[in-house]
Amino acid sequence: AQSVSQHNHHVILSEAASLELGCNYSYGGTVNLFWYVQYPGQHLQLLLKYFSGDPLVKGIKGFEAEFIKSKFSFNLRKPSVQWSDTAEYFCAVNAQGGTSYGKLTFGQGTILTVQP
Amino acid sequence: DTEVTQTPKHLVMGMTNKKSLKCEQHMGHRAMYWYKQKAKKPPELMFVYSYEKLSINESVPSRFSPECPNSSLLNLHLHALQPEDSALYLCASSRLAGPDTQYFGPGTRLTVL
Repeated sequence: AQSVSQHNHHVILSEAASLELGCNYSYGGTVNLFWYVQYPGQHLQLLLKYFSGDPLVKGIKGFEAEFIKSKFSFNLRKPSVQWSDTAEYFCAVNAQGGTSYGKLTFGQGTILTVQP
Repeated sequence: DTEVTQTPKHLVMGMTNKKSLKCEQHMGHRAMYWYKQKAKKPPELMFVYSYEKLSINESVPSRFSPECPNSSLLNLHLHALQPEDSALYLCASSRLAGPDTQYFGPGTRLTVL
């Protein structure tokens, strides 16, 4: 079975600070990788995804993530955060085969608070 | 348009009640999902439907009964729930079942008294 670990439960930053949220997964096969964001009172929204190809993927609102296969990592980055980025961020994986095929598994989530 | 709608937004029910949650998408997606999200926890997969057929049941208790009447609709029938079943129930859809991108609805906040 696959599992996802997010390094930080709660991150507090000031506006304009740089952001990096860690995500590691455990699975023996090939996976698709996702970052979802949940703004206060809103539903889960897709931020970005990686299926194959260039390991550096860009998403909405200036976010990007890098897939490092050797480290089983998919860290989320943003050069300069804004107050409106305050939200909970979930890393998720979905296996491309095997018994976990089609089962989206989420990490525990990281709450990001951006202070003005 | 990547919208998944869910009704009702909030539901309060007693342990002897029967109620249903509804989910709808008009993106032509052929896979639909139910997730359960407890407070301060990530969503956990409950059921997967592919082409209107149940393909994955993550050992969910029988008091939760899913139904997919057509390719756009997904229901979750609830009966004899327990207070620990109180949670946010999320519906999602994807173009196809498998590791495709899933789009989530806003959820139904369920409280079982």
